[in-house]
Amino acid sequence: LAKTTQPISMDSYEGQEVNITCSHNNIATNDYITWYQQFPSQGPRFIIQGYKTKVTNEVASLFIPADRKSSTLSLPRVSLSDTAVYYCLVGDLKTAAGNKLTFGGGTRVLVKP
Amino acid sequence: DTEVTQTPKHLVMGMTNKKSLKCEQHMGHRAMYWYKQKAKKPPELMFVYSYEKLSINESVPSRFSPECPNSSLLNLHLHALQPEDSALYLCASSPRQGNTEAFFGQGTRLTVV
Repeated sequence: LAKTTQPISMDSYEGQEVNITCSHNNIATNDYITWYQQFPSQGPRFIIQGYKTKVTNEVASLFIPADRKSSTLSLPRVSLSDTAVYYCLVGDLKTAAGNKLTFGGGTRVLVKP
Repeated sequence: DTEVTQTPKHLVMGMTNKKSLKCEQHMGHRAMYWYKQKAKKPPELMFVYSYEKLSINESVPSRFSPECPNSSLLNLHLHALQPEDSALYLCASSPRQGNTEAFFGQGTRLTVV
């Protein structure tokens, strides 16, 4: 399983764009990159998933360079309610046994007024 | 219905008690997961069920006993727990094992006294 490395924490201010980069140097050909958000005392919530280039939804964008050894989650114009822990996961969606939905350390994002 | 429902929300049990945590989903998902999460740590995978069969056991002590009675229900039976087992226990489901777009419940906050 590809190991992921993220910054432990990041601070931002309301209205700013927050970019969180995840390193996954050993990513395999069939691996997808998935991001989750978790608020205190709640279960994680799926945010976005991608394989290469750029993916955008109503919540965030995910940028994946050509070598796929890293990915960047971009949260546009954050608000106080975006304060949470963000997790990057890497896994092979086609191999059931090989994808254990394993969470790495996560990045604690604090949005200040 | 895109919810994963966990009961109870809070549980306090003694070290000699036997209790069960319950998890239910009606999304037709065929993979269900149990996680344990300690404060300020990422969720830690315990068990994975795929098509009602135990697929992954992450070397969890036998005082935790999972059960999947049908495709919608997942139980975690607890017996002779230790205070260090106090944590947030999260249940999740996904369409199939290997699909990383999982839905998580709100968790059961367990305190062992």
